[in-house]
Amino acid sequence: GAVVSQHPSRVICKSGTSVKIECRSLDFQATTMFWYRQFPKQSLMLMATSNEGSKATYEQGVEKDKFLINHASLTLSTLTVTSAHPEDSSFYICSARVAAGRGYTFGSGTRLTVV
Amino acid sequence: DAKTTQPNSMESNEEEPVHLPCNHSTISGTDYIHWYRQLPSQGPEYVIHGLTSNVNNRMASLAIAEDRKSSTLILHRATLRDAAVYYCIPQTSGSRLTFGEGTQLTVNP
Repeated sequence: GAVVSQHPSRVICKSGTSVKIECRSLDFQATTMFWYRQFPKQSLMLMATSNEGSKATYEQGVEKDKFLINHASLTLSTLTVTSAHPEDSSFYICSARVAAGRGYTFGSGTRLTVV
Repeated sequence: DAKTTQPNSMESNEEEPVHLPCNHSTISGTDYIHWYRQLPSQGPEYVIHGLTSNVNNRMASLAIAEDRKSSTLILHRATLRDAAVYYCIPQTSGSRLTFGEGTQLTVNP
């Protein structure tokens, strides 16, 4: 089946540094990818929609200058958390729709801890 | 986005059927009904989706009410590996998925 590979699975970074998270569609082309964030014991919250070759669309309240999204190819989207702070510590998950009429597939998530 | 109402939690015994309900009374006529599940520290996993007719796949069955204001996900024989948070999500074709709180399913051995 369709797979979205997400890396890294875990990352610890110092406050003020930047972290890049990658999501690759392994056996299909993803013109659109979605980025979510999940805090402990909460549901997934959509952060942004990433479109290949164009600017991402951010949800209300999500700082686009802090969460940089790049979708330069049909198989790769990246999320960069810039100047990370402890409150950015969360579980970040990407997703893509495989094809019309089919479900969405999700990456395995990235646990970010900012110390 | 249509609002959904799901029980916060449900319990089942292993090898018994489980019926997970979802109310989505504000669903529009063209919204698909998606179900996903999430195990701890993992990304969500697609379970099933449908529009009007009941749907079956190797994982589960989806029963959709005639008025489409509710649906039920059916796991025919629960296993310990089915313990997860189950999300019911009405979705406009091609658009993003908006997650609600879901139902935490506990499966007892």
